[in-house]
Order: sequence, then structure tokens, then C-alpha cells
Amino acid sequence: QVQLQESGPGLVKPSGTLSLTCAVSGGSIDSSHWWTWVRQPPGKGLEWIGEIYQSGSTHYNPSLKSRVTMSVDKSKNQFSLKLSSVTAADTAVFYCARGFTSGSEYYFDYWGQGTLVTVSS
Amino acid sequence: DIQMTQSPSSLSATVGDRVTLTCRASQSIGRYLNWYQQKPGKAPKLLIYLASSLPSGVPSRFSGSGSGTDFTLTISSLQPEDFATYYCQQSHSSPPTFGQGTKVEIK
Repeated sequence: QVQLQESGPGLVKPSGTLSLTCAVSGGSIDSSHWWTWVRQPPGKGLEWIGEIYQSGSTHYNPSLKSRVTMSVDKSKNQFSLKLSSVTAADTAVFYCARGFTSGSEYYFDYWGQGTLVTVSS
Repeated sequence: DIQMTQSPSSLSATVGDRVTLTCRASQSIGRYLNWYQQKPGKAPKLLIYLASSLPSGVPSRFSGSGSGTDFTLTISSLQPEDFATYYCQQSHSSPPTFGQGTKVEIK
């Protein structure tokens, strides 16, 4: 059973950089899946931030692309998210998830529990 | 980006009811549509993929249908543990996008 666990600061100052890590257990990050970040502002819906493959290849949401950087650390079986120049609008619960791909299938089948990141001075 | 619109935004129902939720895409997405269930304070859980396929472990009272732009999620007999918010998500093109959710509440 694959498990994902987010970690990182729960409070970030405006104009700062949000940094989160997702540790993967019960499976290898060096597999044929896309490792994904999704966020959810309090009381609102879900927004896909982007994804990274074990090779380091990335896809980012165009709405956030200029501020997002993702990386993967195979030695630690984890992947990371950095979101720069944050504002209060970036306050959200951040989820990491596995993007399962097989043929025409693409969905998020395993999720972390989520971590709330608040942007405030 | 493909816009996903869910209706209704919320509904009240009773245990045992048959419930149908709707999701519409702003352009044709074939059958590249997934459904998730989210309970308060929890991560979303995959319910349906490719419009009508059930992952292992999802009860058979959940079913999905549709193709092109119009999709439905049906719960044949609502159970107490089904009160939650349901999101559709298109996987036809990047970026993957979600609907705004339908909250199923107890009447």
C-alpha cells in the first residue's frame, strides 16, 4: 500500500517561498507514475499545481508556472515543491498525490493527508 | 484550460435515496473523467476513473456514466458514510482541472 506524507512549514511570510516535501513509502518513486501536487484553499475546490516524473521531467499549471519548482530525490524516495513570491491567496491545504498512468488512464489514486500552509506576516 | 462545471452545488438527501450528480466539461473530453469523494478534513478519494470504471474497494452502489461533455455520478442507495463532497476531474488535457464540487448533505 503506497503512502504519502507531506511535511514543511505551516506558516510562510508574504513574498517568501513555500517549501514542501512529500515522502513516499510502500512503493518506489522510481516508477512509471507522475508525482503530483494539488492545493485546496480553505472552503474551496481543488487546483492542480503540477507533477514530476522520476526522471525529473515536469509539467506545471500555467497559472502558477512562473512561481513553481518541483524536484525529486530518489535516494530519499521523496519529491518536493517550491512556490515563490507567495501571497495570502496561496493559503491552502497542499496535497501530494500519485498520478497513475496506464494507457489512456490518468488519475490520482494515492493522496497524502494534506498540510495547511498559511501565508501571513 | 478545460472548465468543469458540477451541478447542483449542494443537495440534501436521505439514507437510501438514489442520488445523481452531474458534471459538464467546456469541451469534449471523451471518457477522460474521474470522480473523487472528499470528507471534511480528509484527502480526496478516487471513486471512478475513465467515466465509469470502479477502482478496487469502491462499493458497487457508486456508478458513473457519460462521454463527451456530460457525465453523471450515481449513488444507488445513499449510505451514512456517503455524505461528503464529490469532485469531477478531467484527464483529457493538461492542466487537469476539477469541478467546483457537489456537497451531499443529510436531509
